[in-house]
Amino acid sequence: SAVISQKPSRDICQRGTSLTIQCQVDSQVTMMFWYRQQPGQSLTLIATANQGSEATYESGFVIDKFPISRPNLTFSTLTVSNMSPEDSSIYLCSVETSTEAFFGQGTRLTVV
Amino acid sequence: AQSVTQLDSQVPVFEEAPVELRCNYSSSVSVYLFWYVQYPNQGLQLLLKYLSGSTLVKGINGFEAEFNKSQTSFHLRKPSVHISDTAEYFCAVSQGGKLIFGQGTELSVKP
Repeated sequence: SAVISQKPSRDICQRGTSLTIQCQVDSQVTMMFWYRQQPGQSLTLIATANQGSEATYESGFVIDKFPISRPNLTFSTLTVSNMSPEDSSIYLCSVETSTEAFFGQGTRLTVV
Repeated sequence: AQSVTQLDSQVPVFEEAPVELRCNYSSSVSVYLFWYVQYPNQGLQLLLKYLSGSTLVKGINGFEAEFNKSQTSFHLRKPSVHISDTAEYFCAVSQGGKLIFGQGTELSVKP
């Protein structure tokens, strides 16, 4: 199993600013995943973060808007840049074994 | 492409009644199937998973699900729900290391 600590748990931000979300895992993992959950919606994969290489973004998500860092095998950050109200969502990080995914508690972001 | 369809967006039910949350997936190859639960203001927690073997899978909190390959379904059931089961439930399929989630079903248990 894996225990994931994610912070902040929530934030209210002004439009045009940026927020960096941190994700810490209690064990070394090769890949970390970032998801977005818009209000009343399901989870959508934003990108996959590998240590030592560029993140791989899903269709509809770009690095300029959601830059990701992966400095080591237990930590990753996701930045939501130049925020607008449409970015108001829950952002979750995740790690996966071959048979299960583990999630952080999520960051509830409100952009005003 | 893979897809997951949860047929009910909301399921209201009275306490101690049985419940079934429906999930269908599209795939022509072997998949792993999951049900996750999200309690209010919480992250996702794994309820159960199907990887292989017995088609009836038992999970935590008294939930179980049955994998039906011919109907490409993985419905979640509980014989008697509690108020504390009120949450959002997500069905997911994994293939090639990626999780694809259904739209979610909001289970509301009333006294």
